[in-house]
Amino acid sequence: GAVVSQHPSRVICKSGTSVKIECRSLDFQATTMFWYRQFPKQSLMLMATSNEGSKATYEQGVEKDKFLINHASLTLSTLTVTSAHPEDSSFYICSATFMNTEAFFGQGTRLTVV
Amino acid sequence: GDSVTQMEGPVTLSEEAFLTINCTYTATGYPSLFWYVQYPGEGLQLLLKATKADDKGSNKGFEATYRKETTSFHLEKGSVQVSDSAVYFCALSEGADTGRRALTFGSGTRLQVQP
Repeated sequence: GAVVSQHPSRVICKSGTSVKIECRSLDFQATTMFWYRQFPKQSLMLMATSNEGSKATYEQGVEKDKFLINHASLTLSTLTVTSAHPEDSSFYICSATFMNTEAFFGQGTRLTVV
Repeated sequence: GDSVTQMEGPVTLSEEAFLTINCTYTATGYPSLFWYVQYPGEGLQLLLKATKADDKGSNKGFEATYRKETTSFHLEKGSVQVSDSAVYFCALSEGADTGRRALTFGSGTRLQVQP
């Protein structure tokens, strides 16, 4: 299947700093990318949907100024957690699709804010 | 809104045992249903899917049947192996245009298979 690479897999940052997570589709052009967040022992919750070249659509309750999503090319989307706080500590997962294909997932990023 | 409920884990089985992981859903329309598997340190991988009622998805010995009358999509495997140890997610997507729609996930069920 297609490969989606997410980087970094783990990151620890200090409270108040910003962290960028990258999601790359390695062997296909991703017209749509999704960002999910997973709390321990809970479902993956959709944060936002981004289409290449346009602004991301955020789910209700997700602060767009805190979670900045950029999908500038067909192979790269980034999620930047700005002014991170301990409550932002979580597991973040991206997925990418091309047209009507199935979703391909990255391996996830474990963010810990100390 | 849409929701997916799956049994809590962990599920611990001996090798060659029969596996069932229950999944039920709530949706307003006619969703497509999926099972994803996440092996340690890896991303979610599509295991199988079904797009309409009574469809059976199957892959690697796993099966699940789309039951509209009971709104269920239970995952089964006749004989599990140690290599099946992973976290399994049930998910749905509204409509047929699955590439453009996000997935609604269950909470995941961890399966541990002992030799």
